[in-house]
Order: sequence, then C-alpha cells, then structure tokens
Amino acid sequence: RKEVEQDPGPFNVPEGATVAFNCTYSNSASQSFFWYRQDCRKEPKLLMSVYSSGNEDGRFTAQLNRASQYISLLIRDSKLSDSATYLCVVNLGNYGQNFVFGPGTRLSVLP
Amino acid sequence: GAGVSQSPSNKVTEKGKDVELRCDPISGHTALYWYRQSLGQGLEFLIYFQGNSAPDKSGLPSDRFSAERTGGSVSTLTIQRTQQEDSAVYLCASSLDGTTGNEQYFGPGTRLTVT
Repeated sequence: RKEVEQDPGPFNVPEGATVAFNCTYSNSASQSFFWYRQDCRKEPKLLMSVYSSGNEDGRFTAQLNRASQYISLLIRDSKLSDSATYLCVVNLGNYGQNFVFGPGTRLSVLP
Repeated sequence: GAGVSQSPSNKVTEKGKDVELRCDPISGHTALYWYRQSLGQGLEFLIYFQGNSAPDKSGLPSDRFSAERTGGSVSTLTIQRTQQEDSAVYLCASSLDGTTGNEQYFGPGTRLTVT
C-alpha cells in the first residue's frame, strides 16, 4: 500500500460546482497534513495546512479524520482558475525525510 | 520577501556531461529538500538537509547524484555522467526547520534535458 493515496482524476466540473477530494495515508504516526496545488509546468504551492478541528479558507475547506486516516479538501463555487493538480502531503514528524507527497488529483473547471 | 530561487531555470546537456544545479532557500530556513519530477509524474524525494548535514540521502537514485550545502544556505545538486533518464524538473524546497508542522516552500525548478 502506498503511503499517501489520492484519486488521480481528472475531475471535470462546471464553474460554480462544489468538488471534493479525498486522500488516505497509511502511517498512523503522521503528524501534520497539507494541501498543495500545482499548476501545469509550475512548482507546487501551499494551499492550506489541515488542522485536526478542520479549517476553512474562503471557498476551501480541509478536514482531517485521524481514526480513518484520511484528509479531504472541499472547493465550493469552483472557478476556472482552480484548475490544477491538488497534492495531499503528509508529514511524519521528527527530523529527516518526513514529507510524503501524494500523486495528486487533477481538477479541470470548465466554462 | 524573497522566495526559494533556483538556477539555471533550464539546462540542456549532452549525455555523459556533468551538471550542477543550484538552490537558494528562503533566508533563515534551516531545512532544504531536493525533489525531481518527470513529466506527468509525482514528486520523487532525493535528499534532505538540516543545516549543512544530510541526515537522509535515501532518495538519491545512484552514485552519480550528489548534493552539498554550505553555510546553512545555498545547496548544489550535482549529476555526473548524465543519462537521458535524468531528464526531469529538479525542484528545491525549504522549510523553517525539519520538524512537524513547518510547511515547505518550493522554488520554480530547473528543467533538465539530457540529449
């Protein structure tokens, strides 16, 4: 089983739709969690950290379920500019190579 | 403030030549990471630095790859005797330190093409 798994998509949704991505991780000792977005031929950029209580940033809501070891990202009222690949990232804590990137889910928002 | 910078942005080299890629992390960030990403693929971890030392080199794909970091700042990734399969985007990231909860910030990458 891979350490971090995501549905590769692509998710093709119309503008204004709500879309949700899930991510599962295998290491129960994982300590922090992030969502990054990566535009085509660009570097990944931090979208938001994911906190245990869940957190929201504008149209974006992230949630964490430690018991089931999954993280979700909800995008409401999607815009054309949301089209990108969304990477789930898990940090195992401690010093060392502790960031594990998921393979990403591709989103295309259509006019 | 200034983000992570990398140079060159693009590098085309002939098979068998050596290349050196440079990364300037965000000022004050003690942790530095190198990844590579082939077209349409996910990120592949290469090496992690905490300060000048590299506690984790597990991702380096072969002994042709090496990296160093000096002064706790700039890092160079060297690929000797390049092969066509080395063609990829090489991404550098830095974080405040290597502990939990410190997100990584990426540079724009170096696109390496080996002909």
